Amino acid sequence: EPEVTQTPSHQVTQMGQEVILRCVPISNHLYFYWYRQILGQKVEFLVSFYNNEISEKSEIFDDQFSVERPDGSNFTLKIRSTKLEDSAMYFCASSWTGGGYGYTFGSGTRLTVV
Amino acid sequence: AQTVTQSQPEMSVQEAETVTLSCTYDTSESDYYLFWYKQPPSRQMILVIRQEAYKQQNATENRFSVNFQKAAKSFSLKISDSQLGDAAMYFCAYSGSARQLTFGSGTQLTVLP
Repeated sequence: EPEVTQTPSHQVTQMGQEVILRCVPISNHLYFYWYRQILGQKVEFLVSFYNNEISEKSEIFDDQFSVERPDGSNFTLKIRSTKLEDSAMYFCASSWTGGGYGYTFGSGTRLTVV
Repeated sequence: AQTVTQSQPEMSVQEAETVTLSCTYDTSESDYYLFWYKQPPSRQMILVIRQEAYKQQNATENRFSVNFQKAAKSFSLKISDSQLGDAAMYFCAYSGSARQLTFGSGTQLTVLP
């Protein structure tokens, strides 16, 4: 069964550093997403990406965040200057239709900011 | 904006018994999708079951079924013949015209041997 692959599985970074989280969505999917889950809390939407541009973003997704699809397969989330409160599990997801048939999630990247 | 509410932070069930997890949502849209996701300790998000709002028939997937009440905006998950491997956090989620998921706060399910 096709998978969404995320790397790294765990990243520790110092406050103020830039991090890039990487995702390889399912190859024939058209919609790509990043979600965040702070430990013990609900999963929160960050941003959606379709047709090589951001289609929706939440209030969380401020100027510190950016997304890119630099080639035909990778989808990245960059956090420019990490803060302690950015510590969370970050999930990439992809969908063929943008929702109806479900979203496939990656296994997540656990980001720890120290 | 859509909201999803899970009023049961924790539930427990005896192995082989049946348990129902509750979910309500609020939306003004008529066309949308509802999902239940399972998150085991590994924190992977696993799709359990999905329901299209335009379908009156409740979705079923093996031991998992839903009770979808559109007028009441209720979407509960029933797990029959509970197994130890069902122990996890369960999230109810909504997807509408905005094409992203809005999650509830989750229900932690414990399965007792």
